[in-house]
Amino acid sequence: ETGVTQTPRHLVMGMTNKKSLKCEQHLGHNAMYWYKQSAKKPLELMFVYNFKEQTENNSVPSRFSPECPNSSHLFLHLHTLQPEDSALYLCASSQNRGNQPQHFGDGTRLSIL
Amino acid sequence: QQQVKQSPQSLIVQKGGISIINCAYENTAFDYFPWYQQFPGKGPALLIAIRPDVSEKKEGRFTISFNKSAKQFSLHIMDSQPGDSATYFCAARHSGGGADGLTFGKGTHLIIQP
Repeated sequence: ETGVTQTPRHLVMGMTNKKSLKCEQHLGHNAMYWYKQSAKKPLELMFVYNFKEQTENNSVPSRFSPECPNSSHLFLHLHTLQPEDSALYLCASSQNRGNQPQHFGDGTRLSIL
Repeated sequence: QQQVKQSPQSLIVQKGGISIINCAYENTAFDYFPWYQQFPGKGPALLIAIRPDVSEKKEGRFTISFNKSAKQFSLHIMDSQPGDSATYFCAARHSGGGADGLTFGKGTHLIIQP
């Protein structure tokens, strides 16, 4: 298996639920990213991890909690989300040197009831 | 504040024509400018990228033109084909030497008519 794999592909949850999104990359990269894609808005960077260490939190609400146990896996833990959090959540990975391209997964489509 | 402005929002081009998408940026610290292509149900895929030390880069039917003084760059798709119908995003990054996130434009929905 190659590339960046995200699970689940679709998720419907209530505002009081707790769920997690998973991302796994098989490219040997050492940096991983979470982005949010909403309709008619640019992709928004949420978090950056470099060698498992969080290096950027783009003013994301605390109801989103990332976790990076190793360079190949990235999680986004969700709790008490709001309807405006419904979006496509994309994971990406890259090498952490120079202008290395970011490779994206196909995302998790999240719907908050 | 939108740091990367992309236009047009949507574009219809006849098969065989040239598709042109434009982007402008504000942050002069940006030093890497990729273009991504996204099909429905898929994540964005890197199409082509350029650094500001060159004014043009061509890969097959895809060309990036870069104007550093104007802080603008554009994607040209020559001989556009129906399979090119997708959403295109320009992006920019300030490479601090490590892992840096991308700043994206809002995207252009391109339709190539047969």
